[in-house]
Amino acid sequence: SQQGEEDPQALSIQEGENATMNCSYKTSINNLQWYRQNSGRGLVHLILIRSNEREKHSGRLRVTLDTSKKSSSLLITASRAADTASYFCAPHSGTYKYIFGTGTRLKVLA
Amino acid sequence: EPEVTQTPSHQVTQMGQEVILRCVPISNHLYFYWYRQILGQKVEFLVSFYNNEISEKSEIFDDQFSVERPDGSNFTLKIRSTKLEDSAMYFCASSLTGGGVANTGELFFGEGSRLTVL
Repeated sequence: SQQGEEDPQALSIQEGENATMNCSYKTSINNLQWYRQNSGRGLVHLILIRSNEREKHSGRLRVTLDTSKKSSSLLITASRAADTASYFCAPHSGTYKYIFGTGTRLKVLA
Repeated sequence: EPEVTQTPSHQVTQMGQEVILRCVPISNHLYFYWYRQILGQKVEFLVSFYNNEISEKSEIFDDQFSVERPDGSNFTLKIRSTKLEDSAMYFCASSLTGGGVANTGELFFGEGSRLTVL
């Protein structure tokens, strides 16, 4: 599998605002997953989008996938202080590993 | 809700000692992983394990490391002759499927074992 590159590296917003983070990857994928990590804790799976899907929603999360541009975005609407965490994308090509990049550090200010 | 559990939560050891980190994956999961995270750095893949053998490993996973599924529930990471640079948080993860086109393959992580090598 390959590593995704998240952008921006850090994002600071006010509570209630939307947060958008992006992921780029290099080669074709079967699916792309987004994970969250609260400081020092295990990663938590947020949402998965398959290569034949363009958009997916889960609660306040919206993920898009553009396979022609090899990119994905994660939108968190109406952000809360509890959304403060690092967010990682994991593009998956069917091998037995998932590679995580450096992530986007999101800080939501109350 | 089923979860991945890891023990110990924190272990302090002297350089050169052997350490075993233990994980109990979710019971019906078939794929198992170890990752590590050095403080302030990214989560790094170490090894994946399926059908009682290593599926893939990174260049970090050298002869110092080994994994084992000694029974039907535990998955262990052994670090022989620990070095200072092995100090990190070690995460175990499991998944039901391997993540092909038709499968989901999302990983479920434990809360980690913090290893401090003095």
